[in-house]
Amino acid sequence: GENVEQHPSTLSVQEGDSAVIKCTYSDSASNYFPWYKQELGKRPQLIIDIRSNVGEKKDQRIAVTLNKTAKHFSLHITETQPEDSAVYFCAASRQAGTALIFGKGTTLSVSS
Amino acid sequence: EPEVTQTPSHQVTQMGQEVILRCVPISNHLYFYWYRQILGQKVEFLVSFYNNEISEKSEIFDDQFSVERPDGSNFTLKIRSTKLEDSAMYFCASSKREANTGELFFGEGSRLTVL
Repeated sequence: GENVEQHPSTLSVQEGDSAVIKCTYSDSASNYFPWYKQELGKRPQLIIDIRSNVGEKKDQRIAVTLNKTAKHFSLHITETQPEDSAVYFCAASRQAGTALIFGKGTTLSVSS
Repeated sequence: EPEVTQTPSHQVTQMGQEVILRCVPISNHLYFYWYRQILGQKVEFLVSFYNNEISEKSEIFDDQFSVERPDGSNFTLKIRSTKLEDSAMYFCASSKREANTGELFFGEGSRLTVL
């Protein structure tokens, strides 16, 4: 089955810096790669996703890149703000409706 | 905005007891899921459910677990005989079936504590 590895496990940045979180996946049939943000004690919420027919997607300060050949994808957050502090999970699945397999999460701390 | 709702928010039970966690998915969604998250760890897939049957399950979802959609709105997870290691936050999620989206909408979770 699918296995998703995520690095780093913790990331501390200064407000205004960029943050990058990287994930690799094992199943070459996976074609959907979302990123979820989970604030302390809250539910995971989708922040951005990308499909295998696209190499990059951007939404304001957040961008995701995908390299299908290398089977890795990354989350980029620019101009970080304290409210970006949370746990970020990458995930992968084959298609809508199939199991979404999550990475172990990255705890991002943005200090002002 | 419609949300996935879960009850109870927190349940404490004795080891060996049966527990039922309840979820009401978003009404026009067709895929339903249970995930669990042990404190401080990743979100782990348990089971997916579509068209009134299990479509996928993980190794965690053994004979002690079962799911049911008893009516048109509820989706339940039953743990027959709870173990200490079942203590976790259990998230229900639902998604649409459209091919161009796989977004899972999570509920707020049910925290299960097994003593």
